[in-house]
Amino acid sequence: AQSVTQLDSQVPVFEEAPVELRCNYSSSVSVYLFWYVQYPNQGLQLLLKYLSGSTLVKGINGFEAEFNKSQTSFHLRKPSVHISDTAEYFCAVTGSNSGNTPLVFGKGTRLSVIA
Amino acid sequence: KAGVTQTPRYLIKTRGQQVTLSCSPISGHRSVSWYQQTPGQGLQFLFEYFSETQRNKGNFPGRFSGRQFSNSRSEMNVSTLELGDSALYLCASSLSGPHYGTQYFGPGTRLTVL
Repeated sequence: AQSVTQLDSQVPVFEEAPVELRCNYSSSVSVYLFWYVQYPNQGLQLLLKYLSGSTLVKGINGFEAEFNKSQTSFHLRKPSVHISDTAEYFCAVTGSNSGNTPLVFGKGTRLSVIA
Repeated sequence: KAGVTQTPRYLIKTRGQQVTLSCSPISGHRSVSWYQQTPGQGLQFLFEYFSETQRNKGNFPGRFSGRQFSNSRSEMNVSTLELGDSALYLCASSLSGPHYGTQYFGPGTRLTVL
């Protein structure tokens, strides 16, 4: 079984500043990792995913994440945030060799961008 | 291409009643997954249907059930509603399943149980 810990429930940051949202996972097998974003009153949207290959993954809206197997982490970063990035961000994991197993989501990090 | 649609968007029910929620996936998608989202528990997987068969089920009581029709539309049913069932219910569709992550989520149905 897999689990995900998002270390910060809320992250306030000033506009145009960099941000890092932290995600650690636990798994006894190899994993696939994902970041989703949820804007107010909307469903989730996939930002980026790591399946294999390069550990640095680039996603939409200028976000990127780095898979670190030794640290069991998949932190999300953006060099300069905008007001429109205010949303809730979810990290998710599934076992890569477990067939069609569902994703396990973290509790979410609420990013608030301050003007 | 139309996105995932969920109906109704809002529902208010009382304890003991039952409710049916509907999800229409993106055209061509055969997998539909359902999630419950609450402030306390976050996003929890309910079940996944693929080509009318339940392929995976989360850790929820038998009061929660679902089905998928031949056109891939899916419904979930909650019987004997409890206060704790108040939540945002999200469905997500994908071509072959959530495993590779490219799921497309609907806006959700917000269920309030009084």
